[in-house]
Amino acid sequence: QVQLVQSGAEVKKPGASVKVSCKASGYTFTSYGISWVRQAPGQGLEWMGWISAYNGNTNYAQKLQGRVTMTTDTSTSTAYMELRSLRSDDTAVYYCARGRFGTTIDYWGQGTLVTVSS
Amino acid sequence: QSALTQPPSASGSPGQSVTISCTGTSSDVGGYNYVSWYQQHPGKAPKLMIYEVSKRPSGVPDRFSGSKSGNTASLTVSGLQAEDEADYYCSSYAGSNNLYVFGTGTKVTVL
Repeated sequence: QVQLVQSGAEVKKPGASVKVSCKASGYTFTSYGISWVRQAPGQGLEWMGWISAYNGNTNYAQKLQGRVTMTTDTSTSTAYMELRSLRSDDTAVYYCARGRFGTTIDYWGQGTLVTVSS
Repeated sequence: QSALTQPPSASGSPGQSVTISCTGTSSDVGGYNYVSWYQQHPGKAPKLMIYEVSKRPSGVPDRFSGSKSGNTASLTVSGLQAEDEADYYCSSYAGSNNLYVFGTGTKVTVL
């Protein structure tokens, strides 16, 4: 069965960076991409970007351009999302989710809480 | 890219039906047939309920159905059950610049 298992919760200070991992299993990793979606406390879902696990091509949400980097390691079927220059409003649960370019996001990871606080 | 517009809340008694709307533009909902609906229980990850406007993944009850007209998509939950009480989000492909946009979310309450 398809599973996406994410790394644990993080607490960061403003201005710092965070890197969240997402280990995939149960399917051919390079046949799909990974989207990252975040959800601030009590708020809705916000798409952050997508990376192809086949060739590493990326597509980032315009509001995060320059602060976010998504990568993959095909040897371990793991995707990573790094967010820099953290602010308090980056406090959210960050999800990875599987999907091909422009099509359905189907399976989701369990989420990683990132708290930004001084 | 603005979020798709959903009503904040919807409710119904057990056995009744509830329909949630999701309004976008011709650049997202109206322009593509990649509209999905997700169910999210408190503290849990979203779960795919409907994809490509009206298709149901394996394991999703046929009480859940989707449709689209113009720039508005809809999710209908028939025969409401207690476990259907959750937040529901729509999403749509939005073109090659910002791939996806999500709806504002609707809290469904089973009375």
